[in-house]
Amino acid sequence: DQQVKQNSPSLSVQEGRISILNCDYTNSMFDYFLWYKKYPAEGPTFLISISSIKDKNEDGRFTVFLNKSAKHLSLHIVPSQPGDSAVYFCAANALNLNSGYSTLTFGKGTMLLVSP
Amino acid sequence: EAGVAQSPRYKIIEKRQSVAFWCNPISGHATLYWYQQILGQGPKLLIQFQNNGVVDDSQLPKDRFSAERLKGVDSTLKIQPAKLEDSAVYLCASSLRDLSSYNEQFFGPGTRLTVL
Repeated sequence: DQQVKQNSPSLSVQEGRISILNCDYTNSMFDYFLWYKKYPAEGPTFLISISSIKDKNEDGRFTVFLNKSAKHLSLHIVPSQPGDSAVYFCAANALNLNSGYSTLTFGKGTMLLVSP
Repeated sequence: EAGVAQSPRYKIIEKRQSVAFWCNPISGHATLYWYQQILGQGPKLLIQFQNNGVVDDSQLPKDRFSAERLKGVDSTLKIQPAKLEDSAVYLCASSLRDLSSYNEQFFGPGTRLTVL
């Protein structure tokens, strides 16, 4: 039962254009959503987050949009650069009622390739 | 600020052997996480510590996996005996605190385990 879904395993974009990475979720209890970026042989690094009470958060070239009614979020990268080529993971945070602590649930990731 | 350290970076063992991974979180981070990332999947939480106590180990295969964080700082994850399906990258992450709200998690580079 995948609670966080990234249905596109890969995406190819030309340098300077917009990259749009999508993520869908099923659990209405998620209160924060995060995007992590991962290069080969490195751990994921935090990129940007959004609270469930917001619909947009922007940080430089990166913008995350949240549509709660559709249980959908997207990451926009404008303009895309070759250094953005990496795997992007969507993650969702929820309070674990059993432990009393919050946990992250990750999607399978989307590999972005930005060509010069 | 030093990041999350993990060792070894790579390990190859035969099935039924045992293996141990080590993690040193960012100084001052009270919460430590171990994740398993199988090829093509997102990270899956195995166990979460708050200081030296376990707060969530619901997805840890306890018949073969064990983890400890004795002094509330570094941690070890052990597999004994290993199975072929344990081949994965084991990621350690830490966060400053977790008081039932979202806190950014910082990941180490991971240990890639291959079980033959």
